Amino acid sequence: KAGVTQTPRYLIKTRGQQVTLSCSPISGHRSVSWYQQTPGQGLQFLFEYFSETQRNKGNFPGRFSGRQFSNSRSEMNVSTLELGDSALYLCASSPLDGGGTEAFFGQGTRLTVV
Amino acid sequence: AQSVTQLDSQVPVFEEAPVELRCNYSSSVSVYLFWYVQYPNQGLQLLLKYLSGSTLVKGINGFEAEFNKSQTSFHLRKPSVHISDTAEYFCAVSEPGNQFYFGTGTSLTVIP
Repeated sequence: KAGVTQTPRYLIKTRGQQVTLSCSPISGHRSVSWYQQTPGQGLQFLFEYFSETQRNKGNFPGRFSGRQFSNSRSEMNVSTLELGDSALYLCASSPLDGGGTEAFFGQGTRLTVV
Repeated sequence: AQSVTQLDSQVPVFEEAPVELRCNYSSSVSVYLFWYVQYPNQGLQLLLKYLSGSTLVKGINGFEAEFNKSQTSFHLRKPSVHISDTAEYFCAVSEPGNQFYFGTGTSLTVIP
């Protein structure tokens, strides 16, 4: 079974630009979550989608948005990029609704904003 | 909201020595606990999880953890570490809806 796939692996963008990151969950998984990882803040929850609906949202500005498609693939978008958005963005998929299920992580997209 | 505290940001340990990585969480009615490992430039890989039942949980690569409800702790242990265990370790708590709360991580460095 293929794991969680995130594309691209690396991105370099300029301040003010926007960026879209993609995540393909494990086949059959309906829940997709996004996290931002930085050396200073650690792993921070961005949002979680289940069956195309955003169920939870972390404490990030509105520049960060996401969506999930009917095939469970998810995208996250960051508009008006700032230097502080440089981070590793991780996507995780889970098979079931409800807590306690393992989250399977992709390898992440390393975003650098210059 | 849950919170997770990893008490040690960096833990150096000699090869073949035992190690304990500490994790405390905020109390909740139902708690699911996890330890993940992250190697450089990689995503997170599950080491072990506690959902219910036996408080001693065994995971991959010889790691184990003990759930202590009274102390709200979930410490990770390994009796003998290897160079390949050098990595970042994250403790996490999950809530219904699959939202995970992660600790700030512990960097384990195994010294030859």
